[in-house]
Amino acid sequence: EDKVVQSPLSLVVHEGDTVTLNCSYEVTNFRSLLWYKQEKKAPTFLFMLTSSGIEKKSGRLSSILDKKELFSILNITATQTGDSAVYLCAVSYNNNDMRFGAGTRLTVKP
Amino acid sequence: AAGVIQSPRHLIKEKRETATLKCYPIPRHDTVYWYQQGPGQDPQFLISFYEKMQSDKGSIPDRFSAQQFSDYHSELNMSSLELGDSALYFCASSSTASWYGYTFGSGTRLTVV
Repeated sequence: EDKVVQSPLSLVVHEGDTVTLNCSYEVTNFRSLLWYKQEKKAPTFLFMLTSSGIEKKSGRLSSILDKKELFSILNITATQTGDSAVYLCAVSYNNNDMRFGAGTRLTVKP
Repeated sequence: AAGVIQSPRHLIKEKRETATLKCYPIPRHDTVYWYQQGPGQDPQFLISFYEKMQSDKGSIPDRFSAQQFSDYHSELNMSSLELGDSALYFCASSSTASWYGYTFGSGTRLTVV
């Protein structure tokens, strides 16, 4: 059965901490893995990963994909309170099928 | 374990027709969300329900309406369909009592021709 599993489910850190969010998947005909930041109810695109081992970076956020071990991590360094959100991982597979993980709720305290 | 069930899985409609998408959330989840994801686009939040009452509204066109029924299933009704309505429509549910994350359905792929 196709699935996307995120961990941890929730995380509470203090400003300045570094966090690593995990996403593992099992799908047929993998196409890409996407990370979104969901504040309130609107997901905002962060990264799309299609190749193993190539780190994508945007400011304090970075992500990498391992297609052999079927997982991706999202790193956030020097966290700020504005990073508090639910981070969603989604996998595109087959012919444009999508499967979402449950999300990781990150809370960054001052 | 039971997941969020969406039906139908695929739907093809002609312009100006109507469509009804159904979503059956996880039992005991009190919140249902609807999203629209066009080809190559981010998911757009449409509408959500908490305990059968509309709780939040996003970018849902006036031609669309939704409701949640007494058995907690939800339906998204789409009228006067346009080509641009072709998209994947996701339903997700969650519980406000405890955070166990969102559970997304597999989506309904609507194609308007």
